[in-house]
Amino acid sequence: GAVVSQHPSRVICKSGTSVKIECRSLDFQATTMFWYRQFPKKSLMLMATSNEGSKATYEQGVEKDKFLINHASLTLSTLTVTSAHPEDSSFYICSSQGGTDTQYFGPGTRLTVL
Amino acid sequence: GENVEQHPSTLSVQEGDSAVIKCTYSDSASNYFPWYKQELGKRPQLIIDIRSNVGEKKDQRIAVTLNKTAKHFSLHITETQPEDSAVYFCAASPGGYQKVTFGTGTKLQVIP
Repeated sequence: GAVVSQHPSRVICKSGTSVKIECRSLDFQATTMFWYRQFPKKSLMLMATSNEGSKATYEQGVEKDKFLINHASLTLSTLTVTSAHPEDSSFYICSSQGGTDTQYFGPGTRLTVL
Repeated sequence: GENVEQHPSTLSVQEGDSAVIKCTYSDSASNYFPWYKQELGKRPQLIIDIRSNVGEKKDQRIAVTLNKTAKHFSLHITETQPEDSAVYFCAASPGGYQKVTFGTGTKLQVIP
């Protein structure tokens, strides 16, 4: 399967700061990337769909001004959690899709906001 | 929008026995149904998928069946092994670049 990387794997930050998470498609061009949030022992919750060169499409209930998504190239999408608070602590996972129906997931980023 | 229900939420089987996980979906436009396996702290990994023009697909010990009329699909794992222990997610999508809706997950425990 395709290779998707995500950086950083873990981040701890203070409340009020911003955190940027990168998602890279290493061996194929990803027209579309998705950002998910996963709580412990829960399913994957889609936050937004990121399309290269255009604005992201956010799911209902997800604040677009808090979770900024940029998909500047066919291999990179970034998620910035702005003014992070403890309730933003979670496992964030991206996935990439290019040319087929299949989504390939990154390894995830564990965010802890103190 | 699409709604995917998955059962059971937990499943324990003896090593060598079979495991079956069932999912239903609501949107008749869905025609792509992937299954993912997620080990603790790891990324979801695609293990098998099926499209609506196929009723059954098999890959070694794993098989998936789809009943499009009834809007349900199932994952079958035969001759289970301890390394099959993980959380399994079913999902449904219209295909293309449209979003995938995930089920709630099944925690499978294979007892040696």
